Amino acid sequence: GAVVSQHPSWVICKSGTSVKIECRSLDFQATTMFWYRQFPKQSLMLMATSNEGSKATYEQGVEKDKFLINHASLTLSTLTVTSAHPEDSSFYICSAPHPGGGNTEAFFGQGTRLTVV
Amino acid sequence: ELKVEQNPLFLSMQEGKNYTIYCNYSTTSDRLYWYRQDPGKSLESLFVLLSNGAVKQEGRLMASLDTKARLSTLHITAAVHDLSATYFCAVDGGTSGSRLTFGEGTQLTVNP
Repeated sequence: GAVVSQHPSWVICKSGTSVKIECRSLDFQATTMFWYRQFPKQSLMLMATSNEGSKATYEQGVEKDKFLINHASLTLSTLTVTSAHPEDSSFYICSAPHPGGGNTEAFFGQGTRLTVV
Repeated sequence: ELKVEQNPLFLSMQEGKNYTIYCNYSTTSDRLYWYRQDPGKSLESLFVLLSNGAVKQEGRLMASLDTKARLSTLHITAAVHDLSATYFCAVDGGTSGSRLTFGEGTQLTVNP
């Protein structure tokens, strides 16, 4: 089946630094990818839609300058958390709709647990 | 704004018992998904429901969709400990496919 690979699985960074998370579709092309954030014991919240070749679309309340999204190719989207602070500590998950069957199913990456100290 | 509500949020049940998790959503959609999440892990796809009246079963789990009532159910039959996890329903409210709004999640604990 379709596979979405996310890297790294976990990262610890110091407050004020930036962290880049990669999301790759391994066996299909994805013109659109989605980035979600999940705080402990909470649900997933959509942060932004990553569009290959154009600007990402951010959900209300998500800071564009803080969460930089780049969809450089049909198989790679990156999320960079800039000037990270402890409140950015969370589980970040990407997904990509599979092009077969009318984009009816999303495949999720393994997630990245970010801890900002 | 699309809203997705699950209940119950917490469910503790004994092995061998049956129970149903409910998922209500606020706007018209024909695409509803159920996922399982184990602690510290990402999402595992359980069911994709794409039309009114859709019913799917896998092992001890069965999901159904009523688009007119904007309701989906996840029924657990003869629960076993391995089913302990958090279950999410999600609705696709977008046009590009798989732009999901998630319910709050149901934390299921199956006790021996």
